[in-house]
Amino acid sequence: EDQVTQSPEALRLQEGESSSLNCSYTVSGLRGLFWYRQDPGKGPEFLFTLYSAGEEKEKERLKATLTKKESFLHITAPKPEDSATYLCAVDTTDSWGKLQFGAGTQVVVTP
Amino acid sequence: DADVTQTPRNRITKTGKRIMLECSQTKGHDRMYWYRQDPGLGLRLIYYSFDVKDINKGEISDGYSVSRQAQAKFSLSLESAIPNQTALYFCATSDLASAGNEQFFGPGTRLTVL
Repeated sequence: EDQVTQSPEALRLQEGESSSLNCSYTVSGLRGLFWYRQDPGKGPEFLFTLYSAGEEKEKERLKATLTKKESFLHITAPKPEDSATYLCAVDTTDSWGKLQFGAGTQVVVTP
Repeated sequence: DADVTQTPRNRITKTGKRIMLECSQTKGHDRMYWYRQDPGLGLRLIYYSFDVKDINKGEISDGYSVSRQAQAKFSLSLESAIPNQTALYFCATSDLASAGNEQFFGPGTRLTVL
């Protein structure tokens, strides 16, 4: 059975304190791994898609990386506006077109 | 204007009532999805549709039904609402032609069943 696990569940950072979020996955065949940002009471906002091990993508203070077993979302020098829940999801060869989501990591960045 | 819209944004109803949540999109995408989100459980797929004539059950379809009225419209119904259907509901779309199958979400409907 495909599984997606995110850690930690919650992360509290000081402004400027870099850190990483983890998304580990066990799937039959990965077609793509997705990162989303979700603000309270709002819909998830698409950030990145990663397709193969070794791939990296960046957007402002966020950088996503992918290995064969996990993905990391690195937040460099975070600001309070980076506070959100970050979700990862996978699209697999067995369920093409349907995404399986992790439970998310809630990030709070304090000034 | 938002590409994916959901109505209503908030709804409070009573046990046993029939409820319809509506989703419209202007992205021109073929695929549409309904999810529910509960604290600590993440997003769970209720139903999905890859085109107007294609409707499929997700992992938690019991107690729900859907209708794909047009490429741009996908409605979710709760025939007889119960309190454990209290949740945030999201509609999403994706493009068949996209290599990555990224999904784009609406703003959500907060449903409370008393």
